[in-house]
Amino acid sequence: AQSVTQLGSHVSVSEGALVLLRCNYSSSVPPYLFWYVQYPNQGLQLLLKYTTGATLVKGINGFEAEFKKSETSFHLTKPSAHMSDAAEYFCAVSKAGNNRKLIWGLGTSLAVNP
Amino acid sequence: GAGVSQSPRYKVAKRGQDVALRCDPISGHVSLFWYQQALGQGPEFLTYFQNEAQLDKSGLPSDRFFAERPEGSVSTLKIQRTQQEDSAVYLCASSARTGDNQPQHFGDGTRLSIL
Repeated sequence: AQSVTQLGSHVSVSEGALVLLRCNYSSSVPPYLFWYVQYPNQGLQLLLKYTTGATLVKGINGFEAEFKKSETSFHLTKPSAHMSDAAEYFCAVSKAGNNRKLIWGLGTSLAVNP
Repeated sequence: GAGVSQSPRYKVAKRGQDVALRCDPISGHVSLFWYQQALGQGPEFLTYFQNEAQLDKSGLPSDRFFAERPEGSVSTLKIQRTQQEDSAVYLCASSARTGDNQPQHFGDGTRLSIL
């Protein structure tokens, strides 16, 4: 069965500092991997996705993530945090093939301090 | 429309009442998903439609939950005889075509509170 683990339910950084949100997955087959962001009282917005090809994926708002098969990881990074980045971030995985549902991590709440 | 639209945004019901939650997907999107998100948790898959066909309903927690998409566009999630544990945000998502690497686009959700 697939599963997603997000290390750290709360992460706090200073404005301008590096953002690193961790995601590890378990899957018996090559997965598709996603990061979504959720602002208060809003739906989920896709930040970036990995399907095939280049393992370093660039997304919106300056975020990027690297798929590391050997480490079963897909950590999300941003070189310099902005106040507007404060939100809940979810990592999700889907299995290549007929199963299209997303399996989600529990989320990481990012706080950005001035 | 421009995005996935869900209504109502907020719903309060008494325990035992039936509720119906509506989802308008992005026009032309083939796939439609329902998720349940409890407070402080990640979303949990409920059910999936491809056009009007419900291909996966393995996540529906009980037979009180029922979803339909009769014309392959608008979908309704119905919960009968609601219970307090049904309180959650219900998210609808749609994606174009049927490729499984297609991103899912989410609505803002319906926050359901059962008193």
